[in-house]
Amino acid sequence: NAGVTQTPKFQVLKTGQSMTLQCAQDMNHEYMSWYRQDPGMGLRLIHYSVGAGITDQGEVPNGYNVSRSTTEDFPLRLLSAAPSQTSVYFCASKGEWANVLTFGAGSRLTVL
Amino acid sequence: KQEVTQIPAALSVPEGENLVLNCSFTDSAIYNLQWFRQDPGKGLTSLLLIQSSQREQTSGRLNASLDKSSGRSTLYIAASQPGDSATYLCAVLRKRGTSYDKVIFGPGTSLSVIP
Repeated sequence: NAGVTQTPKFQVLKTGQSMTLQCAQDMNHEYMSWYRQDPGMGLRLIHYSVGAGITDQGEVPNGYNVSRSTTEDFPLRLLSAAPSQTSVYFCASKGEWANVLTFGAGSRLTVL
Repeated sequence: KQEVTQIPAALSVPEGENLVLNCSFTDSAIYNLQWFRQDPGKGLTSLLLIQSSQREQTSGRLNASLDKSSGRSTLYIAASQPGDSATYLCAVLRKRGTSYDKVIFGPGTSLSVIP
């Protein structure tokens, strides 16, 4: 059981470049979500999904796109990276009702 | 809009002390509340989960309580140890109709236990 897997762990981009952060889980969890964590700002929800084909915006969705074509995968796309998107990104998933929210190890993104 | 706050923002205690971390939320329509621990530069580890119908949960030296009507949860750590030094975050799963939608986090409490 791999849990929640995020790739890449580290990435450096130039302003204007695009990239996709990958998130996969093998626990058949319906709920998946992306957070960013910045010093002094805590964890802020970017986008989330309650099942395949369903996505919704969180607190800070601007500049990010998501899709949920399968239960297992929930990629986060940056279409035109900006320095303000420099952050640590966490993917998390949970199963039905009582299940705990399980986190990936994080992806550290730097935009120059 | 659900907002989650945590007090204090930082705490430094000598080893062996019992301590309480506080979490407050503005909307009592929650499905559950979860406490996490985060070590510097690491991911989040789940400590305790309390369902909205429960009053408390215990795991070893940790005890978490929930008072949904007042919008508060506390995490009690007994006999603190230097290894407890970390940031502690609470998170609420928002109720939506008969289901749930998103998980909102508080800003965390940074704990330092001095040997």
